[in-house]
Amino acid sequence: DQQVKQNSPSLSVQEGRISILNCDYTNSMFDYFLWYKKYPAEGPTFLISISSIKDKNEDGRFTVFLNKSAKHLSLHIVPSQPGDSAVYFCAASTTGNQFYFGTGTSLTVIP
Amino acid sequence: SAVISQKPSRDICQRGTSLTIQCQVDSQVTMMFWYRQQPGQSLTLIATANQGSEATYESGFVIDKFPISRPNLTFSTLTVSNMSPEDSSIYLCSVGQGVLAKNIQYFGAGTRLSVL
Repeated sequence: DQQVKQNSPSLSVQEGRISILNCDYTNSMFDYFLWYKKYPAEGPTFLISISSIKDKNEDGRFTVFLNKSAKHLSLHIVPSQPGDSAVYFCAASTTGNQFYFGTGTSLTVIP
Repeated sequence: SAVISQKPSRDICQRGTSLTIQCQVDSQVTMMFWYRQQPGQSLTLIATANQGSEATYESGFVIDKFPISRPNLTFSTLTVSNMSPEDSSIYLCSVGQGVLAKNIQYFGAGTRLSVL
């Protein structure tokens, strides 16, 4: 059973606009969430994380929002740049335990 | 963050053979992990490899099929045994770092395996 879901396999956004990637989870025990970015022929690279005690975490152009009641998190990229084109994975865990990954969303930023 | 080297980067293998994937880290780490990513699917944890003890396998994965070695704090291997086409996947190793070792995982580039 997929505990972490990314329902949009792909997303295209114009350069300079906002990219919003979504992720839903089913396990209410998850208390730590991460986003990874993956370029072709490379491993996933850690991007940003958020603990369940927060509802927002910001790092430069990247912001992650967590809505615990809806079991939903999102990654906002503002402004989007062509170099952001990659596959983005969300992951969730109960701190100190196994990570569960979504299936990924392929983002294309159009120049 | 740790630098992780994984070899081979890709391979094409015949059914029934075995392949050993190596993972080298540039620093000593307590926990190393092996994942599989089948086409169109998410990353699935195969096992956790701790130095000096047997690997801990997740449901659906067994030691006979995926034997793991962890001889020291910087190196691990995963063997995919008696391969079939269903084993065609990307295999990734990762290491855990952070206040709690599993807080953030850093990944190698992966091994793309095709089984004919």
